[in-house]
Amino acid sequence: DAGITQSPRHKVTETGTPVTLRCHQTENHRYMYWYRQDPGHGLRLIHYSYGVKDTDKGEVSDGYSVSRSKTEDFLLTLESATSSQTSVYFCAIQGNNEQYFGPGTRLTVT
Amino acid sequence: DQQVKQNSPSLSVQEGRISILNCDYTNSMFDYFLWYKKYPAEGPTFLISISSIKDKNEDGRFTVFLNKSAKHLSLHIVPSQPGDSAVYFCAAGVYNQGGKLIFGQGTELSVKP
Repeated sequence: DAGITQSPRHKVTETGTPVTLRCHQTENHRYMYWYRQDPGHGLRLIHYSYGVKDTDKGEVSDGYSVSRSKTEDFLLTLESATSSQTSVYFCAIQGNNEQYFGPGTRLTVT
Repeated sequence: DQQVKQNSPSLSVQEGRISILNCDYTNSMFDYFLWYKKYPAEGPTFLISISSIKDKNEDGRFTVFLNKSAKHLSLHIVPSQPGDSAVYFCAAGVYNQGGKLIFGQGTELSVKP
């Protein structure tokens, strides 16, 4: 157990509404990541953080923003949700070279 | 542009036999590789990794082989057990680049009793 929780675990929202997903870690790790998992694509990096207030884009960052005001929390925001953002979202923290993942959030945008 | 590819979406193996999962990559800059296992409704869990300076790494029933010239890695599970049934993802990264990983599409392994 890498001490990572995600909330909510499930969410259904309507197109055009803002949505924020939360990742919380208890391990004091510097690096945190947000991925989305879709059939046929594996996991794709959305954004990552290398410290408080330090973030950078991943390969599928359009339509997403992140914030990290405390070491333990990494927030992912969809400013205006679209149906293409229906997915399962995973947060991860960095170990040595491996990453440890949270349980995921299933987001459905109707 | 899929830099990491798992060309087999699924694999079925008999219990006790060997499972071989394959992964190909295109970016020669990758210098470490990892395998993850994922059960439904759970996050991926780290299984085993290998640095590009090695060609084999073993951990219990799991062995990863790396062929750099072919840009190919494989995960061997011996003997396979029904509890190994899951989706397996390979991933690749470059040292000192923020730990960012590129994942393959995944292979669903089914181990039949």
